[in-house]
Amino acid sequence: AQKITQTQPGMFVQEKEAVTLDCTYDTSDPSYGLFWYKQPSSGEMIFLIYQGSYDQQNATEGRYSLNFQKARKSANLVISASQLGDSAMYFCAMREGPPSGGGNKLTFGTGTQLKVEL
Amino acid sequence: GAVVSQHPSRVICKSGTSVKIECRSLDFQATTMFWYRQFPKQSLMLMATSNEGSKATYEQGVEKDKFLINHASLTLSTLTVTSAHPEDSSFYICSARAGGGRIGELFFGEGSRLTVL
Repeated sequence: AQKITQTQPGMFVQEKEAVTLDCTYDTSDPSYGLFWYKQPSSGEMIFLIYQGSYDQQNATEGRYSLNFQKARKSANLVISASQLGDSAMYFCAMREGPPSGGGNKLTFGTGTQLKVEL
Repeated sequence: GAVVSQHPSRVICKSGTSVKIECRSLDFQATTMFWYRQFPKQSLMLMATSNEGSKATYEQGVEKDKFLINHASLTLSTLTVTSAHPEDSSFYICSARAGGGRIGELFFGEGSRLTVL
């Protein structure tokens, strides 16, 4: 079974509108973390937002918020007030287990290509 | 903030040659670095975990003799693609954790695009 599933290969949104990018995950580990990264055409991976499995509140970072529904195992990314510069590939990723000092490997979804239109 | 740098960003080589890609943590020490591979329009697939001062841990299906990883210092890990072939053409990207903090956030390098002719 896929550990991270992103069902939307591509999404279009008009500038200034909000958009939700879907992500569901599968793990039996009670401690895990969920990440969203943005990858522009240049290739770099830009960290956007993080949600820990024990966090009580949904994470927010500026225009980004994470709709964390633990029972449904979903961690959707919401981008408010979309901008042209938001056009990029977006990846959802999961860390299984608690954070380790040296770092944990991440499992990535297949990504969603977001296109912001005028 | 924490920065991870990769070099070269692009490399074109002939089939049969070896290519070395460097991954440096610029303002922090990284005991562990991760090497990922990304084919066009696809996800990142973990290749191996690079551990400072010890052997790398490879994911299932990744040839360790093909993809040599050396993590000789706390700020440098290298990936060498040996006897490269066209099917090795891909985007290789490394990542590292800055340490501290609670989330285990990984910082990624800019990536290295390898084209094997």
